Amino acid sequence: SQQGEEDPQALSIQEGENATMNCSYKTSINNLQWYRQNSGRGLVHLILIRSNEREKHSGRLRVTLDTSKKSSSLLITASRAADTASYFCATDRTGNTPLVFGKGTRLSVIA
Amino acid sequence: EAGVVQSPRYKIIEKKQPVAFWCNPISGHNTLYWYRQNLGQGPELLIRYENEEAVDDSQLPKDRFSAERLKGVDSTLKIQPAELGDSAVYLCASSPGLAGGGDTQYFGPGTRLTVL
Repeated sequence: SQQGEEDPQALSIQEGENATMNCSYKTSINNLQWYRQNSGRGLVHLILIRSNEREKHSGRLRVTLDTSKKSSSLLITASRAADTASYFCATDRTGNTPLVFGKGTRLSVIA
Repeated sequence: EAGVVQSPRYKIIEKKQPVAFWCNPISGHNTLYWYRQNLGQGPELLIRYENEEAVDDSQLPKDRFSAERLKGVDSTLKIQPAELGDSAVYLCASSPGLAGGGDTQYFGPGTRLTVL
């Protein structure tokens, strides 16, 4: 079963615009991670945010976490065509439980 | 540094045939994962190894799926016999194995299996 659920399922934007994807989950978590998957490729880790953190930045990426609402958002600023991919959130409940992935958001950035 | 290596990249078989996938993790990574990813879905864990021990195989359909990680390095996932519903991408991932969780996983490119 999948714990996280990304919203929207698909998003299409113009190059240079910002893209925001949301993830909601059901049970309390230890960590939340975001991964990117280009078509036909494996997943690439983008960023990890711990349950006691509220916001984290990495380059053009900004992740927020609201544990009271059991939700997270991923913001990609100044998007590029190369950002076209599927984005997945993944959560783990304790230090020794496996990651559970959502269904992903398919982002298309049009040049 | 080489990433996670998987082979083959693509496999087409007829139902009831056996199939095997191979994975070589990043050197030094203690934890190895096998996932199945259906079209339009996120990866779902099949089995997780800590060194050569399978520590989580609750989602592995044991009637037809088997896995091994001899010597705690590379791993093989086998399906026998394959069914039409097994068509999916099989992903292997590895991680250093950090205490306390929050382990970043490094994924291979996957094997796309088509069962006819």
